[in-house]
Amino acid sequence: IQLTQSPSFLSASVGDRVTITCRASQGISSYVAWYQQKPGEAPKLLIFSTSTLQRGVPSRFSGSGSGTEFPLTISSLQPEDFATYYCQELDSYPPTFGGGTKVEIK
Amino acid sequence: EVQLVESGGGLVQPGTSLRLSCAASGFTFDDHAMHWVRQVPGKGLEWVSGISWNSGITGYADSVKGRFTISRDNAKNFMYVQMDSLRPEDTALYYCARDKGSVFNWYFDLWGRGTLVTVS
Repeated sequence: IQLTQSPSFLSASVGDRVTITCRASQGISSYVAWYQQKPGEAPKLLIFSTSTLQRGVPSRFSGSGSGTEFPLTISSLQPEDFATYYCQELDSYPPTFGGGTKVEIK
Repeated sequence: EVQLVESGGGLVQPGTSLRLSCAASGFTFDDHAMHWVRQVPGKGLEWVSGISWNSGITGYADSVKGRFTISRDNAKNFMYVQMDSLRPEDTALYYCARDKGSVFNWYFDLWGRGTLVTVS
């Protein structure tokens, strides 16, 4: 399964509502996870089981979707949210990651 | 403090070997499967290998199968990967990552800062 994230680059302002979409090359019957990676840092798990927030992750992050389309939404972008976001599918062995979406400050 | 710390990376020539280590602390190590995930700087993430809590299950990406060997020592809270017959395409930052489950749950909920392997 190949994952395509769109957009690959996003320029937004603090307070904006942002949606990143992870599209699968075929339907996913299992789940999707989302990771956030800031420059020079390791990835951080944000969401697992498609829509469950990892402990400590702010509620402005939400995940949803099914089949081939899985959106990650940030309801009100904060300065600390500027980072690269990766989706991961769990249908394949091994699971694969999307190519990433870089969110930058407008 | 709950953390993972990788070590052992470096610059090596093609065809040679390297052993990476991952030291875990601050949590019950043998409650979790563990993985190696790599990232070419500026590029995406690629799962490399994983090992279940008791070493009963191991897995490898096709790109490293037969060349890499993963292991763990629960008494010492360490995970390792022995990388043999290294190729230039193995050049990447190698992360140690904790699985949320004891077998392959595939959610990586704790990561180290990575160790850089350069094969040239």
